[in-house]
Amino acid sequence: DVKVTQSSRYLVKRTGEKVFLECVQDMDHENMFWYRQDPGLGLRLIYFSYDVKMKEKGDIPEGYSVSREKKERFSLILESASTNQTSMYLCASSLDQGGYTEAFFGQGTRLTVV
Amino acid sequence: AQRVTQPEKLLSVFKGAPVELKCNYSYSGSPELFWYVQYSRQRLQLLLRHISRESIKGFTADLNKGETSFHLKKPFAQEEDSAMYYCALMNYGGSQGNLIFGKGTKLSVKP
Repeated sequence: DVKVTQSSRYLVKRTGEKVFLECVQDMDHENMFWYRQDPGLGLRLIYFSYDVKMKEKGDIPEGYSVSREKKERFSLILESASTNQTSMYLCASSLDQGGYTEAFFGQGTRLTVV
Repeated sequence: AQRVTQPEKLLSVFKGAPVELKCNYSYSGSPELFWYVQYSRQRLQLLLRHISRESIKGFTADLNKGETSFHLKKPFAQEEDSAMYYCALMNYGGSQGNLIFGKGTKLSVKP
């Protein structure tokens, strides 16, 4: 059973804290992604990575950074958490198979910044 | 610019009625389109790909390049179809492909 696992289901952090969201996949996928999911806004891509130590900005990278030191692990970092970063964060991984690509998602981390 | 539009936030139908979830896209190249579904308290998962021309759980979707649409259809809705549905487009604007999602449509099937 393929798995994308996010380290926390729920997190509550204070404004200004540095926050780490961790994601691990066991499918040997090259590509990993971080999205945030907000009602009425759908999924918006924050960052993605197509190889170890490689990263690319998505549509909303401001206030975030990422780290990919190992193929199976992709971390999202909120350098200084703010209340507008309260959201559901989804990690995903995939192989690059063009029209046959299937992205596998984690269960999500609901982050609340107070 | 690459974009996916789902015009309906909420679609409510009765069990046994036909359902159509609309999706329109904007893409300069040859599009690769998908439907993803998220059932209550479950993770987001792939429902179907346009390239496979498949029917999954009774759902089909046809790519219409003339109308730039990829609507999801099912002739007879079931209560278990109630979920959040996202249309997605593979974007090759960067060095690797990534999925662009629409804002989603919540389907509610009433008994």
